[in-house]
Amino acid sequence: DTEVTQTPKHLVMGMTNKKSLKCEQHMGHRAMYWYKQKAKKPPELMFVYSYEKLSINESVPSRFSPECPNSSLLNLHLHALQPEDSALYLCASSQEIRDWGYTFGSGTRLTVV
Amino acid sequence: GEDVEQSLFLSVREGDSSVINCTYTDSSSTYLYWYKQEPGAGLQLLTYIFSNMDMKQDQRLTVLLNKKDKHLSLRIADTQTGDSAIYFCAESMLNSGAGSYQLTFGKGTKLSVIP
Repeated sequence: DTEVTQTPKHLVMGMTNKKSLKCEQHMGHRAMYWYKQKAKKPPELMFVYSYEKLSINESVPSRFSPECPNSSLLNLHLHALQPEDSALYLCASSQEIRDWGYTFGSGTRLTVV
Repeated sequence: GEDVEQSLFLSVREGDSSVINCTYTDSSSTYLYWYKQEPGAGLQLLTYIFSNMDMKQDQRLTVLLNKKDKHLSLRIADTQTGDSAIYFCAESMLNSGAGSYQLTFGKGTKLSVIP
């Protein structure tokens, strides 16, 4: 298995909803990442987990809450989002936090209404 | 993306070669990457080059690295309509606060292939 799987592929949520994005990989990678990509923009790093511990939080608002329950799973919990949070959320993994060859998932297209 | 610069658009005819250029700023980058993103999809790693290399070839793809000028290019030979996508240059930069590396992307070059 050489993939990063993200679910759901599309999500529409209201500003008062609570939802979660899920990411899974079975490549034995020990570093996992969340990126946010707005339309026609490059991906921007949100969070980095290394060995299931939060390593980097790029000053992301607290309405985004990451969780790494085990080495294969990465969640992003969403609460009280704003319409400007609508974007493609990409998960990625790599063998080690300094390694090349990040593998990206196909993303979750999030729309906040 | 402000530390990695790319031209935003490139249009080529099918069968021609495409050359996408990128400049980066961090001379300590160990790896430089090219990613492809098709509409509505995630990022696909196309190729990468280690900073002590000048050139890397992989089938239709040729990566050239000029470390002195901090210039990276991706050449796609015999460009096909299926190559139409956005191509992101990325460098691996040290986040000294976290003691780890992270990817920094350019703004992306939209390649349009004319049949």
